[in-house]
Amino acid sequence: AQSVTQLGSHVSVSEGALVLLRCNYSSSVPPYLFWYVQYPNQGLQLLLKYTSAATLVKGINGFEAEIKKSETSFHLTKPSAHMSDAAEYFCAVGGSARQLTFGSGTQLTVLP
Amino acid sequence: GAGVSQSPSNKVTEKGKDVELRCDPISGHTALYWYRQSLGQGLEFLIYFQGNSAPDKSGLPSDRFSAERTGGSVSTLTIQRTQQEDSAVYLCASSSIGAAGRNNEQFFGPGTRLTVL
Repeated sequence: AQSVTQLGSHVSVSEGALVLLRCNYSSSVPPYLFWYVQYPNQGLQLLLKYTSAATLVKGINGFEAEIKKSETSFHLTKPSAHMSDAAEYFCAVGGSARQLTFGSGTQLTVLP
Repeated sequence: GAGVSQSPSNKVTEKGKDVELRCDPISGHTALYWYRQSLGQGLEFLIYFQGNSAPDKSGLPSDRFSAERTGGSVSTLTIQRTQQEDSAVYLCASSSIGAAGRNNEQFFGPGTRLTVL
Protein backbone atom coordinates (compact mmCIF):
# COMPACT_ATOMS: atom_id res chain seq x y z
CA ALA A 1 0.00 0.00 0.00
CA GLN A 2 1.14 3.52 -0.71
CA SER A 3 2.19 5.65 2.22
CA VAL A 4 3.70 9.02 3.04
CA THR A 5 6.12 9.91 5.77
CA GLN A 6 6.31 13.37 7.25
CA LEU A 7 9.61 14.18 8.88
CA GLY A 8 9.29 16.31 11.97
CA SER A 9 6.12 16.37 14.01
CA HIS A 10 6.83 19.95 15.09
CA VAL A 11 8.52 22.74 13.14
CA SER A 12 9.12 26.27 14.41
CA VAL A 13 10.11 29.18 12.22
CA SER A 14 10.36 32.89 12.75
CA GLU A 15 7.93 35.20 11.01
CA GLY A 16 9.35 36.05 7.59
CA ALA A 17 11.56 32.97 7.45
CA LEU A 18 11.36 30.11 4.98
CA VAL A 19 8.89 27.35 5.74
CA LEU A 20 9.95 23.82 4.77
CA LEU A 21 7.77 20.86 5.69
CA ARG A 22 9.01 17.48 4.56
CA CYS A 23 7.07 14.62 3.01
CA ASN A 24 8.33 11.45 1.34
CA TYR A 25 6.13 8.97 -0.51
CA SER A 26 6.63 5.25 -0.86
CA SER A 27 5.61 4.52 -4.44
CA SER A 28 8.15 4.20 -7.27
CA VAL A 29 5.58 5.79 -9.55
CA PRO A 30 4.51 9.19 -8.25
CA PRO A 31 0.93 8.88 -7.13
CA TYR A 32 -1.55 11.65 -6.57
CA LEU A 33 -0.15 13.74 -3.71
CA PHE A 34 -1.82 16.36 -1.59
CA TRP A 35 -0.99 18.83 1.14
CA TYR A 36 -3.77 19.79 3.52
CA VAL A 37 -3.79 22.33 6.34
CA GLN A 38 -5.85 22.10 9.52
CA TYR A 39 -6.43 25.15 11.66
CA PRO A 40 -7.51 24.62 15.29
CA ASN A 41 -10.99 23.13 15.62
CA GLN A 42 -11.50 23.11 11.87
CA GLY A 43 -11.57 20.50 9.16
CA LEU A 44 -8.84 19.99 6.60
CA GLN A 45 -8.38 22.45 3.77
CA LEU A 46 -6.56 21.59 0.57
CA LEU A 47 -3.39 23.61 0.01
CA LEU A 48 -2.29 22.00 -3.23
CA LYS A 49 -2.25 18.75 -5.16
CA TYR A 50 0.12 17.01 -7.56
CA THR A 51 -1.49 15.22 -10.49
CA SER A 52 1.52 14.69 -12.79
CA ALA A 53 0.86 17.78 -14.88
CA ALA A 54 3.82 19.70 -13.46
CA THR A 55 6.61 18.98 -11.00
CA LEU A 56 6.19 22.32 -9.22
CA VAL A 57 2.75 22.86 -7.84
CA LYS A 58 1.55 26.20 -6.54
CA GLY A 59 -1.15 26.32 -3.94
CA ILE A 60 -3.05 28.77 -1.86
CA ASN A 61 -1.59 31.21 0.65
CA GLY A 62 1.79 31.32 -1.11
CA PHE A 63 2.63 27.66 -0.55
CA GLU A 64 4.16 25.45 -3.19
CA ALA A 65 5.56 21.96 -3.44
CA GLU A 66 7.93 20.30 -5.85
CA ILE A 67 7.94 16.61 -6.56
CA LYS A 68 11.43 15.11 -6.83
CA LYS A 69 11.10 11.60 -8.18
CA SER A 70 14.74 10.74 -7.55
CA GLU A 71 14.17 11.46 -3.86
CA THR A 72 10.48 10.38 -3.73
CA SER A 73 9.86 13.67 -1.97
CA PHE A 74 7.07 16.23 -2.06
CA HIS A 75 8.17 18.90 0.37
CA LEU A 76 6.00 21.93 1.10
CA THR A 77 7.60 25.37 1.10
CA LYS A 78 6.72 28.99 1.56
CA PRO A 79 9.33 31.73 1.17
CA SER A 80 8.16 33.90 4.05
CA ALA A 81 6.17 32.63 7.03
CA HIS A 82 3.25 34.59 8.39
CA MET A 83 1.72 34.27 11.82
CA SER A 84 -1.49 33.05 10.21
CA ASP A 85 0.37 30.02 8.81
CA ALA A 86 0.50 28.43 12.25
CA ALA A 87 -1.48 25.20 11.88
CA GLU A 88 -1.06 21.49 11.38
CA TYR A 89 -0.08 20.32 7.92
CA PHE A 90 -0.78 16.91 6.45
CA CYS A 91 0.73 15.27 3.42
CA ALA A 92 -1.52 12.67 1.80
CA VAL A 93 -1.41 10.18 -1.05
CA GLY A 94 -4.26 8.97 -3.20
CA GLY A 95 -3.85 6.29 -5.82
CA SER A 96 -5.90 3.38 -7.05
CA ALA A 97 -7.70 3.37 -3.74
CA ARG A 98 -10.20 6.17 -3.47
CA GLN A 99 -9.42 7.12 0.07
CA LEU A 100 -6.45 9.23 1.04
CA THR A 101 -3.64 7.94 3.20
CA PHE A 102 -2.32 10.68 5.41
CA GLY A 103 1.02 11.31 7.02
CA SER A 104 1.19 11.84 10.74
CA GLY A 105 1.12 15.62 10.42
CA THR A 106 3.51 18.46 11.16
CA GLN A 107 2.56 21.19 13.60
CA LEU A 108 3.94 24.51 12.37
CA THR A 109 4.63 27.24 14.92
CA VAL A 110 5.47 30.73 13.72
CA LEU A 111 7.42 32.83 16.18
CA PRO A 112 7.15 36.63 16.20
CA GLY B 1 -23.06 25.97 -2.38
CA ALA B 2 -22.36 25.18 1.24
CA GLY B 3 -19.47 22.99 2.22
CA VAL B 4 -19.55 19.67 4.03
CA SER B 5 -21.42 19.91 7.30
CA GLN B 6 -21.31 17.57 10.27
CA SER B 7 -23.38 17.27 13.38
CA PRO B 8 -23.09 17.37 16.25
CA SER B 9 -19.86 19.33 16.55
CA ASN B 10 -19.23 17.81 19.96
CA LYS B 11 -20.61 14.68 21.56
CA VAL B 12 -19.95 13.42 25.05
CA THR B 13 -21.25 9.99 25.89
CA GLU B 14 -20.85 7.30 28.49
CA LYS B 15 -19.03 4.08 27.82
CA GLY B 16 -21.40 1.47 26.44
CA LYS B 17 -23.83 3.90 24.82
CA ASP B 18 -24.50 4.09 21.09
CA VAL B 19 -23.81 7.28 19.12
CA GLU B 20 -24.75 8.52 15.67
CA LEU B 21 -22.72 11.07 13.77
CA ARG B 22 -24.14 12.82 10.74
CA CYS B 23 -22.52 14.13 7.58
CA ASP B 24 -24.08 16.28 4.85
CA PRO B 25 -21.80 16.26 1.80
CA ILE B 26 -21.53 18.92 -0.84
CA SER B 27 -24.48 18.73 -3.20
CA GLY B 28 -23.64 16.72 -6.29
CA HIS B 29 -20.64 14.96 -4.81
CA THR B 30 -20.99 11.25 -5.38
CA ALA B 31 -18.16 10.11 -3.13
CA LEU B 32 -18.26 10.33 0.66
CA TYR B 33 -15.56 9.33 3.13
CA TRP B 34 -15.29 8.98 6.88
CA TYR B 35 -11.97 9.38 8.66
CA ARG B 36 -10.99 9.28 12.30
CA GLN B 37 -8.41 11.60 13.80
CA SER B 38 -7.03 10.44 17.11
CA LEU B 39 -4.24 11.81 19.25
CA GLY B 40 -1.12 9.92 18.37
CA GLN B 41 -2.84 8.03 15.54
CA GLY B 42 -3.10 10.67 12.88
CA LEU B 43 -5.88 10.45 10.31
CA GLU B 44 -7.18 7.01 9.50
CA PHE B 45 -9.64 6.00 6.81
CA LEU B 46 -12.85 4.33 7.99
CA ILE B 47 -15.30 3.90 5.11
CA TYR B 48 -15.97 5.13 1.58
CA PHE B 49 -19.22 5.44 -0.37
CA GLN B 50 -19.39 5.96 -4.12
CA GLY B 51 -22.78 6.35 -5.74
CA ASN B 52 -24.83 3.18 -5.51
CA SER B 53 -21.83 0.88 -5.26
CA ALA B 54 -21.20 -1.25 -2.20
CA PRO B 55 -19.23 0.80 0.33
CA ASP B 56 -15.58 0.13 1.04
CA LYS B 57 -15.62 -0.76 4.73
CA SER B 58 -12.03 -1.87 4.91
CA GLY B 59 -11.05 0.81 7.44
CA LEU B 60 -13.72 0.15 10.05
CA PRO B 61 -11.88 -0.89 13.24
CA SER B 62 -14.52 -3.26 14.59
CA ASP B 63 -18.05 -4.51 14.03
CA ARG B 64 -19.26 -1.89 16.50
CA PHE B 65 -18.78 0.65 13.71
CA SER B 66 -21.21 0.95 10.83
CA ALA B 67 -22.27 3.61 8.37
CA GLU B 68 -24.98 4.17 5.87
CA ARG B 69 -25.67 6.68 3.19
CA THR B 70 -29.28 7.35 2.36
CA GLY B 71 -30.35 8.53 -1.08
CA GLY B 72 -26.76 9.04 -2.13
CA SER B 73 -26.47 12.09 0.08
CA VAL B 74 -26.52 12.24 3.88
CA SER B 75 -24.43 9.70 5.75
CA THR B 76 -24.63 8.48 9.33
CA LEU B 77 -21.76 6.83 11.17
CA THR B 78 -22.94 4.72 14.08
CA ILE B 79 -20.76 3.47 16.90
CA GLN B 80 -22.37 0.89 19.14
CA ARG B 81 -21.35 0.17 22.72
CA THR B 82 -18.81 2.98 22.69
CA GLN B 83 -15.43 2.47 24.35
CA GLN B 84 -13.01 5.08 25.64
CA GLU B 85 -10.63 4.34 22.78
CA ASP B 86 -13.34 5.54 20.38
CA SER B 87 -12.73 9.10 21.59
CA ALA B 88 -11.51 11.04 18.59
CA VAL B 89 -12.52 13.60 15.99
CA TYR B 90 -14.55 12.00 13.23
CA LEU B 91 -14.13 13.76 9.90
CA CYS B 92 -16.32 13.44 6.86
CA ALA B 93 -15.24 14.39 3.34
CA SER B 94 -16.87 14.38 -0.05
CA SER B 95 -15.58 14.60 -3.60
CA SER B 96 -16.53 14.23 -7.20
CA ILE B 97 -14.86 11.46 -9.16
CA GLY B 98 -13.16 12.48 -12.37
CA ALA B 99 -13.56 10.83 -15.73
CA ALA B 100 -10.48 8.72 -15.11
CA GLY B 101 -11.94 7.51 -11.84
CA ARG B 102 -9.15 9.08 -9.90
CA ASN B 103 -9.24 11.02 -6.70
CA ASN B 104 -10.37 14.54 -7.03
CA GLU B 105 -10.01 16.97 -4.17
CA GLN B 106 -11.71 15.83 -1.02
CA PHE B 107 -13.58 18.56 0.84
CA PHE B 108 -13.66 18.05 4.57
CA GLY B 109 -16.25 18.97 7.14
CA PRO B 110 -15.32 20.48 10.52
CA GLY B 111 -15.59 17.15 12.28
CA THR B 112 -17.41 15.77 15.30
CA ARG B 113 -15.38 15.56 18.49
CA LEU B 114 -16.48 12.43 20.34
CA THR B 115 -15.57 11.97 23.99
CA VAL B 116 -16.40 8.67 25.66
CA LEU B 117 -16.29 8.86 29.45
